[in-house]
Amino acid sequence: GQQVMQIPQYQHVQEGEDFTTYCNSSTTLSNIQWYKQRPGGHPVFLIQLVKSGEVKKQKRLTFQFGEAKKNSSLHITATQTTDVGTYFCAGPYAGNNRKLIWGLGTSLAVNP
Amino acid sequence: ETGVTQSPTHLIKTRGQQVTLRCSSQSGHNTVSWYQQALGQGPQFIFQYYREEENGRGNFPPRFSGLQFPNYSSELNVNALELDDSALYLCASSLRTGTDTQYFGPGTRLTVL
Repeated sequence: GQQVMQIPQYQHVQEGEDFTTYCNSSTTLSNIQWYKQRPGGHPVFLIQLVKSGEVKKQKRLTFQFGEAKKNSSLHITATQTTDVGTYFCAGPYAGNNRKLIWGLGTSLAVNP
Repeated sequence: ETGVTQSPTHLIKTRGQQVTLRCSSQSGHNTVSWYQQALGQGPQFIFQYYREEENGRGNFPPRFSGLQFPNYSSELNVNALELDDSALYLCASSLRTGTDTQYFGPGTRLTVL
């Protein structure tokens, strides 16, 4: 079945280091969404990418959607302790356009 | 804050019992989706309601059912609770049906003993 995979599962960085998480889908996606979930919290929408090759920036965060619309990445420059949390990517399920399929997430820990 | 509220915050039930979880959607949103998030996992789509009708369902058994009311608030009902139903249940509202941006509530932590 359709899957969305994320790597790495966990990442520890020193504050100030960069961080990247990668998202790979087994099928072409019409769009991809990124969410952040703080420990003990709920997912919060970050961004949606729609176009092939799209790149969007939000301050220190850079999001990319692959040319084939099957992969995406989130890069954080100069991490801060406020970046701690789990980052999820999610895309529409091919067989049911009401359903989002989510990756398992990448948990980021930042050492001050 | 998203304006999506859920109740209760925490709940403890025993196997075989039934539970009802509630969600109030963000103002102006007519679509509500429910998700189950087990520890260390991503959210799993349960179903979506649009204008009081279920219009999409994930791979969950029929003992998971729901309702949406005219004010677009929603309930998730789970019958015959099993231990594996222990999870965080998230409600998300969106402006449009489908896979539009999801605005999540704080969730209900359900523990089944």
